[in-house]
Amino acid sequence: QSVLTQPPSVSAAPGQKVTISCSGSSSNIMSNYVSWYQQLPETAPKLLIYENNKRPSGIPDRFSGSKSGTSATLDITGLQTGDEADYYCGTWDSSLRGGVFGGGTKVTVL
Amino acid sequence: EVQLLESGGGLVQPGGSLRLSCAATGFAFTSYAMTWVRQAPGKGLEWVSSCGKTGNKYYADSVKGRFTISRDISRTTLYLQIDSLRVEDTALYYCAKGGVGESGLDSWGLGTLVTVSS
Repeated sequence: QSVLTQPPSVSAAPGQKVTISCSGSSSNIMSNYVSWYQQLPETAPKLLIYENNKRPSGIPDRFSGSKSGTSATLDITGLQTGDEADYYCGTWDSSLRGGVFGGGTKVTVL
Repeated sequence: EVQLLESGGGLVQPGGSLRLSCAATGFAFTSYAMTWVRQAPGKGLEWVSSCGKTGNKYYADSVKGRFTISRDISRTTLYLQIDSLRVEDTALYYCAKGGVGESGLDSWGLGTLVTVSS
């Protein structure tokens, strides 16, 4: 059971939008920065979003992040077949004094 | 270019020990936190341990007392000493640059596989 809760899967057609939610608590998401990671099959994770809504260099603006209270959201617009991957949210938990990840969301392009 | 190269994984019996290494190049090693994340076969990411840039160390409850994170600044290498290994420690262990609650884990190695089995 992960500290952060994500839906196991989301899907949409090419060109459409998907939204991945990440639900936490006052000791983690509300109090700390959230980051998002993309893991393509058989590869290491890659940072997509940091500090809630910032994109590293090279990440297209089709990927956007937001945070409100104890929840965070990753939006992917203009969905492409290459976006099929597992997506994870992560943050620090001030009560646990450790990092926490969501259980991951598998994105399927129909 | 940032490069992180893990090594030291292998097959070990329950109760055994391993020392994982992560050789880091391409950035100012002392200016960043460093983190170990593991992924059991077919499972999600699990944060294991972090070493802050000032040397503070943090551990997941599941590994506290058994795992020890350290770093050698002169060798720009991060280590994870893992003792009293359990079957449930079987996973691919990734080294990552940064802290998950700070500016994120912005670079990752390819991982080193630890298999605990009798």
